[in-house]
Amino acid sequence: AQKITQTQPGMFVQEKEAVTLDCTYDTSDPSYGLFWYKQPSSGEMIFLIYQGSYDQQNATEGRYSLNFQKARKSANLVISASQLGDSAMYFCAMRDLQGGKLIFGQGTELSVKP
Amino acid sequence: EAGVAQSPRYKIIEKRQSVAFWCNPISGHATLYWYQQILGQGPKLLIQFQNNGVVDDSQLPKDRFSAERLKGVDSTLKIQPAKLEDSAVYLCASSPRGGTSNEQFFGPGTRLTVL
Repeated sequence: AQKITQTQPGMFVQEKEAVTLDCTYDTSDPSYGLFWYKQPSSGEMIFLIYQGSYDQQNATEGRYSLNFQKARKSANLVISASQLGDSAMYFCAMRDLQGGKLIFGQGTELSVKP
Repeated sequence: EAGVAQSPRYKIIEKRQSVAFWCNPISGHATLYWYQQILGQGPKLLIQFQNNGVVDDSQLPKDRFSAERLKGVDSTLKIQPAKLEDSAVYLCASSPRGGTSNEQFFGPGTRLTVL
């Protein structure tokens, strides 16, 4: 069975510093996709970044980058130059070969301090 | 481009009552998902539609939950009768089609409180 594990319930970071949010996954499928979503207190899920299992390079989207280590089955999110607006819940998710449902981790609550 | 619309945004009911949620996906998106997000947890898929057919409803409590997607566009999710443990945010999402890389676009969610 597929599983996503986020071991950091909460994280603090100083404004303008970088922060890494951890995510490990478990799957026996050779083809899968990994996603990170941001959920502010308003509740909507905002897509941040995607990494495919066959992608050779780590994905980057602006201040977001995904540190993909396939052998370790980890897909950590790196946020550079943190901003106050980055304070939110962050969810790592995986999508299987059939391209169906997303399987989410428990989430990490990030708080950015001024 | 309009996003995924959901209504109502909030609903409070007593246990054993019925409730229905509505979702209008992004125009042209063939795949529609309903997720349940209990406080402090990540979302969990309840049901997935491809056009108006059900692809995955393995985690839908079918004794009390039902969903339909008539004409392959709008969808409704119903709970009858509600239990206390159904208190959660119900998120609707859509994507252009299936496929590993396709992003799912989420609506604002409906927050249900069962008293």
